[in-house]
Amino acid sequence: DAKTTQPPSMDCAEGRAANLPCNHSTISGNEYVYWYRQIHSQGPQYIIHGLKNNETNEMASLIITEDRKSSTLILPHATLRDTAVYYCIVRGNTGTASKLTFGTGTRLQVTL
Amino acid sequence: NAGVTQTPKFQVLKTGQSMTLQCAQDMNHEYMSWYRQDPGMGLRLIHYSVGAGITDQGEVPNGYNVSRSTTEDFPLRLLSAAPSQTSVYFCASSYVSGEAFFGQGTRLTVV
Repeated sequence: DAKTTQPPSMDCAEGRAANLPCNHSTISGNEYVYWYRQIHSQGPQYIIHGLKNNETNEMASLIITEDRKSSTLILPHATLRDTAVYYCIVRGNTGTASKLTFGTGTRLQVTL
Repeated sequence: NAGVTQTPKFQVLKTGQSMTLQCAQDMNHEYMSWYRQDPGMGLRLIHYSVGAGITDQGEVPNGYNVSRSTTEDFPLRLLSAAPSQTSVYFCASSYVSGEAFFGQGTRLTVV
């Protein structure tokens, strides 16, 4: 699976959009970008994933650049409960779901 | 539908003791995995299974054994606990494709 690079920490004011970047310059054509978050040492929670088109669900939006070498997770209206470590993971969509490679992620602090 | 259930939530062991961390899922997922997380670090893969009777090693398998006799259960055995195995352990399950679901973790301290 391709390696990813994320900033170690970010701050965001409550109610504002949080934009979390991820670089994955060695991504292969059949690899997806997945995002998980971990709130206060709980088990990681799935947020969203995509291949090459932008994706949106009830939690977040995922913007993937046209060359697929980077992506941005967007939390449109961050709340204090979004304070967490966010992990960007690149993997194939079959056969590797059991073998996730976690980096150190981005620690997002949402403040009043 | 409980998802992924790990027991116990907390455990203290003495060096040299053995124990089994339990993991059960009720989503009929084929894949199950064990990760450990040390302070300030991301999760690292210990062992994984792609179906009943099939297991394989991950990044940090030494000192741990697994077996998968049923689809639902994937226990992790520590053969002879060492202080270096003090960590938080997470179990996960998933279908062949798609997202993984994680348990709430077992916090293990080896003294």
